[in-house]
Amino acid sequence: DIHMTQSPSTLSASVGDRVTITCRASQSVSSWLAWYQQKPGKAPKLLIYKASSLESGAPSRFSGSGSGTEFTLTISSLQPDDFATYYCQQYNSYSYTFGQGTKLEIK
Amino acid sequence: QVQLVQSGAEVKKPGASVKVSCKASGYTFTSYGISWVRQAPGQGLEWMGWISAYNGNTNYAQKLQGRVTMTTDTSTSTAYMELRSLRSDDTAVYYCAREVYSGSMGYWGQGTLVTVSS
Repeated sequence: DIHMTQSPSTLSASVGDRVTITCRASQSVSSWLAWYQQKPGKAPKLLIYKASSLESGAPSRFSGSGSGTEFTLTISSLQPDDFATYYCQQYNSYSYTFGQGTKLEIK
Repeated sequence: QVQLVQSGAEVKKPGASVKVSCKASGYTFTSYGISWVRQAPGQGLEWMGWISAYNGNTNYAQKLQGRVTMTTDTSTSTAYMELRSLRSDDTAVYYCAREVYSGSMGYWGQGTLVTVSS
């Protein structure tokens, strides 16, 4: 199985900050990577698909980049609603995998 | 609008089985695959497997092979996930999710809490 590693595991930031979360794959997943946001007690919400495509309805302050084994999710200017946990997910192989998550906390 | 409505919470004893349903509406059921994802308390997301609603083909996570079965009923637009030989570490919220772009999951059910306890 392809292993996904996110960093950092926890990130403290302030409203208005630009933040970046990294996701590394144990082997190439091409551009078959998605990013999700999850808030406590809620189902995850798709933000980015195919590494860099913004899901309809997701705010434009979210952007994704990368290909192969290294990917980033960037939030250009943090808003109060963005404090949540973020997960990457690869869907290159027939066996999908998620990263362990990055919890974005208020500084 | 697309909706996935899951069955209610379950409490099971170790060794038992559970079957969770996911009723879809708002789209052509057979046009998209469904993944099942679980989340243990305080933990991250774990992909369990995927089923094609078109032809019933499945892919399961290796660690669950032999204990999980995913099926669909196209007449009722419902997907099912059955997990057997339950253990305490199967306690989790179980989600169904519809793919949107070849594996990314754009629509999610509300989740079903399965508690395994003696």
